[in-house]
Amino acid sequence: GESVGLHLPTLSVQEGDNSIINCAYSNSASDYFIWYKQESGKGPQFIIDIRSNMDKRQGQRVTVLLNKTVKHLSLQIAATQPGDSAVYFCAETLRSSASKIIFGSGTRLSIRP
Amino acid sequence: EADIYQIPRYLVIGTGKKITLECSQTMGHDKMYWYQQDPGMELHLIHYSYGVNSTEKGDLSSESTVSRIRTEHFPLTLESARPSHTSQYLCASMDRGDGYTFGSGTRLTVV
Repeated sequence: GESVGLHLPTLSVQEGDNSIINCAYSNSASDYFIWYKQESGKGPQFIIDIRSNMDKRQGQRVTVLLNKTVKHLSLQIAATQPGDSAVYFCAETLRSSASKIIFGSGTRLSIRP
Repeated sequence: EADIYQIPRYLVIGTGKKITLECSQTMGHDKMYWYQQDPGMELHLIHYSYGVNSTEKGDLSSESTVSRIRTEHFPLTLESARPSHTSQYLCASMDRGDGYTFGSGTRLTVV
């Protein structure tokens, strides 16, 4: 079946550096993509989203890039801080299909002081 | 403060017990979802609802059941808990096809 998968299960980054978390998706019909952050003991929290008619979207310290040609999604976090430590999930959906969201397996981001 | 609430946050129960995990949201969202998640792993959809009196099974087979009698309330019930049900259960709601709002989850341990 269709699935969303992440390239790396863990990522260790020096505090202050930029982090890049990658994600591959396989459903070419998906038209809406979301990144979630999940801290220990909490539910996933929305970070940023992007629709398929865009290839880049910026938020506060975060940028999402979408490459539909190779079905690749990335999350860039600028000036990574200790509070960014969490598991990050990418997710995809087809907005017209009654809104079930498919989640990837997650990347754990750890910050080195 | 969260607009979607899950009760309890933690629960330890014995095998064979019946339990209900509560989920309530104050946002008036029609769509609600239950996910099961083992620590650090992906989320698996087990139930969803598109409105009152609407419930559907998700992609992961589950022995749980749900009900949707009121828009704001989407409880999940296990008739006879087993150790294999030990996991975290996350409730979410959605408005008009945008991203989910998640609750903080219920971490269930069956002994």
